[in-house]
Amino acid sequence: GNSVTQMEGPVTLSEEAFLTINCTYTATGYPSLFWYVQYPGEGLQLLLKATKADDKGSNKGFEATYRKETTSFHLEKGSVQVSDSAVYFCALSDDSNYQLIWGAGTKLIIKP
Amino acid sequence: EPEVTQTPSHQVTQMGQEVILRCVPISNHLYFYWYRQILGQKVEFLVSFYNNEISEKSEIFDDQFSVERPDGSNFTLKIRSTKLEDSAMYFCASSPTEYSNQPQHFGDGTRLSIL
Repeated sequence: GNSVTQMEGPVTLSEEAFLTINCTYTATGYPSLFWYVQYPGEGLQLLLKATKADDKGSNKGFEATYRKETTSFHLEKGSVQVSDSAVYFCALSDDSNYQLIWGAGTKLIIKP
Repeated sequence: EPEVTQTPSHQVTQMGQEVILRCVPISNHLYFYWYRQILGQKVEFLVSFYNNEISEKSEIFDDQFSVERPDGSNFTLKIRSTKLEDSAMYFCASSPTEYSNQPQHFGDGTRLSIL
């Protein structure tokens, strides 16, 4: 079945550092891939998405490229801010069912 | 920007009682979902709903659970005879279509605490 694996956290960085959060997936079809973010005390917000191979999703300075050859969708940001502190979830869906399959989430802590 | 709203934000209930969690999906969306997240664990799919029917459900969604769209705007999750292990964050989501390239939009969740 489909699955998503994320790097374990917490990831602790200083402000303005470069961020990478790794995400790999297994899927039988051609999934769409998503990054969701959960800020403290809030719900799950869509951060970015990519729906086919080589697509790059981007939003708020974050980027992720859908790499079919490595089955990866790593999240990157060039210069993080304290306000980026949150839990980041990688997820996939495909047209064989209706559900999102989630990674375990990676807690990101940015120190000033 | 339209959003999914969930009420209550926090529900505390005695074990064995029934709870109803409420959601108002985005108005032009047709597909509705419930997920849960037990503290420290992954987000888990419970059920999807379309055209007044369950379209898919997980193994977690047993006879203890039910969903309903009682009117044109609300979407509810009922948990009968709650157990301690039902304590979790419950998220409602909606999407305009069933296609995987359409993202699901989430509410802020209801934290359910079973005592």
